[in-house]
Amino acid sequence: GDSVTQMEGPVTLSEEAFLTINCTYTATGYPSLFWYVQYPGEGLQLLLKATKADDKGSNKGFEATYRKETTSFHLEKGSVQVSDSAVYFCALSITSGTYKYIFGTGTRLKVLA
Amino acid sequence: DSGVTQTPKHLITATGQRVTLRCSPRSGDLSVYWYQQSLDQGLQFLIQYYNGEERAKGNILERFSAQQFPDLHSELNLSSLELGDSALYFCASSPRTGGPTDTQYFGPGTRLTVL
Repeated sequence: GDSVTQMEGPVTLSEEAFLTINCTYTATGYPSLFWYVQYPGEGLQLLLKATKADDKGSNKGFEATYRKETTSFHLEKGSVQVSDSAVYFCALSITSGTYKYIFGTGTRLKVLA
Repeated sequence: DSGVTQTPKHLITATGQRVTLRCSPRSGDLSVYWYQQSLDQGLQFLIQYYNGEERAKGNILERFSAQQFPDLHSELNLSSLELGDSALYFCASSPRTGGPTDTQYFGPGTRLTVL
């Protein structure tokens, strides 16, 4: 069935380090892919999205490219800040008979000053 | 602030009881989604409504039901509560039919504790 797999956390980085959070998916059709971020005590916020193969989503210095050949949507940022500390969720949505919305388990990022 | 409101913020109740969670979508949004977030299951999609009609169903238990009213607010009803229903329940909304490309805007959640 359709699924999303993202790397286990927590990920701990020093400020200004490079960030990669891996996300791969399994889908029977052509999903849209999303990264959401959840700060403590809050709901999820959309970080970026890509709706077709080779699209690159970007926002606030974060980027992810929809790679159909490797079924991946890895999140990257060149220089993280303490304020980026949060939980990051990879998600897909797809029409497969009905609409499906599937989230990964989340990756906690902690950035140290 | 996403513009999606949920009430109550916290709810503590006992096993076997019934509760109602309320969600008001962003102004103009026609689709409402409900999710359950728990430590063991992660974030699970429960159900989606579009303009008052059920649009998609996920992993929603038979003890749970939802509806969307003419003013577009939505309620999630949880009955015969069990300890395992303790979780954060999120509502989200989107402006269109909720197709795969839609961005969902999440509310702050209702934390349900079943004792």
